[in-house]
Amino acid sequence: GDSVTQTEGPVTVSESESLIINCTYSATSIAYPNLFWYVRYPGEGLQLLLKVITAGQKGSSRGFEATYNKETTSFHLQKASVQESDSAVYYCALAMTNSAGNKLTFGIGTRVLVRP
Amino acid sequence: GPKVLQIPSHQIIDMGQMVTLNCDPVSNHLYFYWYKQILGQQMEFLVNFYNGKVMEKSKLFKDQFSVERPDGSYFTLKIQPTALEDSAVYFCASSFINTEVFFGKGTRLTVV
Repeated sequence: GDSVTQTEGPVTVSESESLIINCTYSATSIAYPNLFWYVRYPGEGLQLLLKVITAGQKGSSRGFEATYNKETTSFHLQKASVQESDSAVYYCALAMTNSAGNKLTFGIGTRVLVRP
Repeated sequence: GPKVLQIPSHQIIDMGQMVTLNCDPVSNHLYFYWYKQILGQQMEFLVNFYNGKVMEKSKLFKDQFSVERPDGSYFTLKIQPTALEDSAVYFCASSFINTEVFFGKGTRLTVV
């Protein structure tokens, strides 16, 4: 089946430092799945951070970027300078979208702690 | 933004009893989902539901599980009877057609 592997947390960084969370995927049900990063801030529900549906394209949101690389089957999340408010759990996911809706396959999540 | 509401946030139930988890999805959404996350593991797809029918379910969606959305109100997940291995956080989600999936905060189910 489909699977997503991402950096194990927790990852601790200092404010204004750079952050990278690695994500690789294996998709057996579809050649080019849609790729997502979701985020859960403390006390909040899971919310979409960014998504890319075309191989080779880059998605960005709130200073975060991720590029869909079909050669390496990767979708790493990066931010050049983190803030304390970026402390959260980040989930990489892939989806097959069809008439049955969006079925998401998630990674285990990476907890990020940003020190002031 | 749009909210998916799950009530209650935590539920404790005796093994063998029935439990119903309630979800109030985003009002104009058409697709509804349940995901299950056991502590320390990945969030996993259970089932999706559209137009009054189960469209797809995973192997985690045991015969003891059922879903429904009577009269367009709450989208519910019923487990009858519950087992110890059903202890997990259950996340409800909804989406329109091929658009962003919105998640609730989850209901932590503890089966004792």
